[in-house]
Amino acid sequence: GAVVSQHPSWVICKSGTSVKIECRSLDFQATTMFWYRQFPKQSLMLMATSNEGSKATYEQGVEKDKFLINHASLTLSTLTVTSAHPEDSSFYICSARDSGLGSGYTFGSGTRLTVV
Amino acid sequence: QKEVEQDPGPLSVPEGAIVSLNCTYSNSAFQYFMWYRQYSRKGPELLMYTYSSGNKEDGRFTAQVDKSSKYISLFIRDSQPSDSATYLCAMSRSGGSYIPTFGRGTSLIVHP
Repeated sequence: GAVVSQHPSWVICKSGTSVKIECRSLDFQATTMFWYRQFPKQSLMLMATSNEGSKATYEQGVEKDKFLINHASLTLSTLTVTSAHPEDSSFYICSARDSGLGSGYTFGSGTRLTVV
Repeated sequence: QKEVEQDPGPLSVPEGAIVSLNCTYSNSAFQYFMWYRQYSRKGPELLMYTYSSGNKEDGRFTAQVDKSSKYISLFIRDSQPSDSATYLCAMSRSGGSYIPTFGRGTSLIVHP
């Protein structure tokens, strides 16, 4: 089945620094990947759609200058949280769709970001 | 009103029980319906996906979709402690964008 690898699984950083999260599709090509944010006991909140070779599409209310997305290849998308602050602490998850699985999306294992 | 409503629980059941998890939705354009299982601090794992109305069975899991009532269910037979997780329903429109809309998830606890 489709596998999406996400790294790191957890990261602690100081306030004001930037953190990069990687999302890779291991056995399929993904022209589109998605980045979500999840707060404890809450649902997944779509942040942005990452498009290979073009600009990402951000959901309303998501700061594109704070959450930089790069999708340079068909198997890799990165999310960089710039000038991180404690309120950015959350669980970030990427996903991609393998067309062979119909409409089902495969998720990465998530990255827990803690900003201190 | 949210597009997808799901009771967050927690739902606590004894081992071996039949579990019923449900979601309601308001958008009649939804055609694809999915159930994901999410363990703590992990990404969601796709369990079942169905298209339009009907039933689909996979081992101990059965997914039901009733489009006339805008209601979907996931049944787990012979529940096990390892089934303890959060279950999220998701659904998407046909054609155009396939980006799913998620429910907030139901926390399930199966105790020995």
